[in-house]
Amino acid sequence: GAGVSQSPSNKVTEKGKDVELRCDPISGHTALYWYRQSLGQGLEFLIYFQGNSAPDKSGLPSDRFSAERTGGSVSTLTIQRTQQEDSAVYLCASGEVWANVLTFGAGSRLTVL
Amino acid sequence: DAKTTQPNSMESNEEEPVHLPCNHSTISGTDYIHWYRQLPSQGPEYVIHGLTSNVNNRMASLAIAEDRKSSTLILHRATLRDAAVYYCILRDSGNTGKLIFGQGTTLQVKP
Repeated sequence: GAGVSQSPSNKVTEKGKDVELRCDPISGHTALYWYRQSLGQGLEFLIYFQGNSAPDKSGLPSDRFSAERTGGSVSTLTIQRTQQEDSAVYLCASGEVWANVLTFGAGSRLTVL
Repeated sequence: DAKTTQPNSMESNEEEPVHLPCNHSTISGTDYIHWYRQLPSQGPEYVIHGLTSNVNNRMASLAIAEDRKSSTLILHRATLRDAAVYYCILRDSGNTGKLIFGQGTTLQVKP
């Protein structure tokens, strides 16, 4: 596709449930990033992929959060046993190797009740 | 990670130029200065970037101080569609290239 695609666009879940958020980057982009944006806040870095490996996971807030990337393309961010403080917009961005431009998706809005 | 400082908010009138300042006194020699903006309910959008020289593109201009400790994003004629949060970012000079976002400047454009 022409841009970064994220799904679902909106997800409402109950506390304690697991959720999966998907990111489909621009074809050929080897670098992929996940960010989180809580209401009224700036963007918080979560994890960086180069190809299928994740050399920087420093932003993952707890071991309930994990992410994987397969085939150097689609990435899935998984949040286990969701908590209310996990409510946020989760944004994905992709770019070419050491590109100066990152393209962001529209985000997945997660609401934990 | 190197840090930037921006005003929380600014106002502009439509069709007037806007100068958005950014201070980055701890910038290192290999840090690029990037600007992204985020329109309401959208993901961030790339605006412009530079290293030492001033840069122009179809969206904006970037003026970089000679000592590189500050920079200014210039929108030549603000439109209502330019109302957004503007982020000045020093791109990670390590291996990841990740962007570390601050709070940004919320730009309001008045008709």
